[in-house]
Amino acid sequence: ETGVTQSPTHLIKTRGQQVTLRCSSQSGHNTVSWYQQALGQGPQFIFQYYREEENGRGNFPPRFSGLQFPNYSSELNVNALELDDSALYLCASSLQSGGETDTQYFGPGTRLTVL
Amino acid sequence: AQSVTQLGSHVSVSEGALVLLRCNYSSSVPPYLFWYVQYPNQGLQLLLKYTSAATLVKGINGFEAEFKKSETSFHLTKPSAHMSDAAEYFCALSNFGNEKLTFGTGTRLTIIP
Repeated sequence: ETGVTQSPTHLIKTRGQQVTLRCSSQSGHNTVSWYQQALGQGPQFIFQYYREEENGRGNFPPRFSGLQFPNYSSELNVNALELDDSALYLCASSLQSGGETDTQYFGPGTRLTVL
Repeated sequence: AQSVTQLGSHVSVSEGALVLLRCNYSSSVPPYLFWYVQYPNQGLQLLLKYTSAATLVKGINGFEAEFKKSETSFHLTKPSAHMSDAAEYFCALSNFGNEKLTFGTGTRLTIIP
């Protein structure tokens, strides 16, 4: 069974640029959630995708957007990067059925640095 | 609104001593509660979860946690600390039908040889 994978591992961008982060969900999972973890903080929920539709969003501006593909993999896009976007971005996959989501399993994360 | 509070951003214990990491929650509906561990430069690994079954939950690596509704607590314990337990620990909460995980700010556990 393949776990959650994320790419790239590390990324350096400059302010104003755009970035795309990728996540492959664990086999058998149909839901992907994205979290932002700033240095020294707990992860903050960005949004979740289920069956290619956004299924909940945290307190993040519209320049944070995402996609989920038919194979349940997902992308997180961030436009007009700001210095405060520097963080570890975590993807978590889970299985949603009957209106309930099972445990979220996390990938290793992508470390984004904005200069 | 729901929230998670972890008391003590840093905890140090001697190898072989009891580990106790504190977590209190606030939720208007019955919560699901989780403990995750994060090793340096890695993602989060699930230690254990509470989903309204038994109040004493056993997890991996000898950890366990007890759900106490009256105290709105979900403290994590391990009888005997090992050097490999040094990591950051996060308590998290979710609700049925709301898949968002709300995390505490984390507790860094240091093991003293």
